[in-house]
Amino acid sequence: AQSVTQLGSHVSVSEGALVLLRCNYSSSVPPYLFWYVQYPNQGLQLLLKYTTGATLVKGINGFEAEFKKSETSFHLTKPSAHMSDAAEYFCAVRKYSSASKIIFGSGTRLSIRP
Amino acid sequence: SQTIHQWPATLVQPVGSPLSLECTVEGTSNPNLYWYRQAAGRGLQLLFYSVGIGQISSEVPQNLSASRPQDRQFILSSKKLLLSDSGFYLCAWSEPLKENTIYFGEGSWLTVV
Repeated sequence: AQSVTQLGSHVSVSEGALVLLRCNYSSSVPPYLFWYVQYPNQGLQLLLKYTTGATLVKGINGFEAEFKKSETSFHLTKPSAHMSDAAEYFCAVRKYSSASKIIFGSGTRLSIRP
Repeated sequence: SQTIHQWPATLVQPVGSPLSLECTVEGTSNPNLYWYRQAAGRGLQLLFYSVGIGQISSEVPQNLSASRPQDRQFILSSKKLLLSDSGFYLCAWSEPLKENTIYFGEGSWLTVV
């Protein structure tokens, strides 16, 4: 069965510092991988996704993530944090052979210190 | 363009009362539809998904049920709410292709008192 593990339920960085949110997946077949962001009291918004092809994926708001099959990881990064990046971030996986099911990690809350 | 509407946005219900949350998608046909729950301080839990009218898959045993009476309508229900049903409920949809993204509604806050 596929699953997603997000390391660290809460990450705090200073404004201007590197953001690194970790995600590891478990899947017996090549997965599709996603990062979503959730601002308070709102639904989720897609940041970026990996399906096939280039393993370094660029998303909105300056975020990017790299699919590393050997490490079964899909970590999210941003070179310089901004106050507006404070939110909850979710990693998700869809199994290649499944047309319908997406599984989410437990989420990481990102705080930005002035 | 496609849009997803979910209502009500907030709901306070007593224990033992019924529940009905509705979700509709516009601008697409035959979407995959989903209900997720996000309990306080916890991640997203997939409750139900549907690949077509009348086709519902349940992911976890619980006090809730889902129905899809029309192609772009997805309803989450309960006959008798429990305190543990409190949480943030999110409806979502995706195109019926393997690699496509899932899009979320704005969510419904349910507080059972």
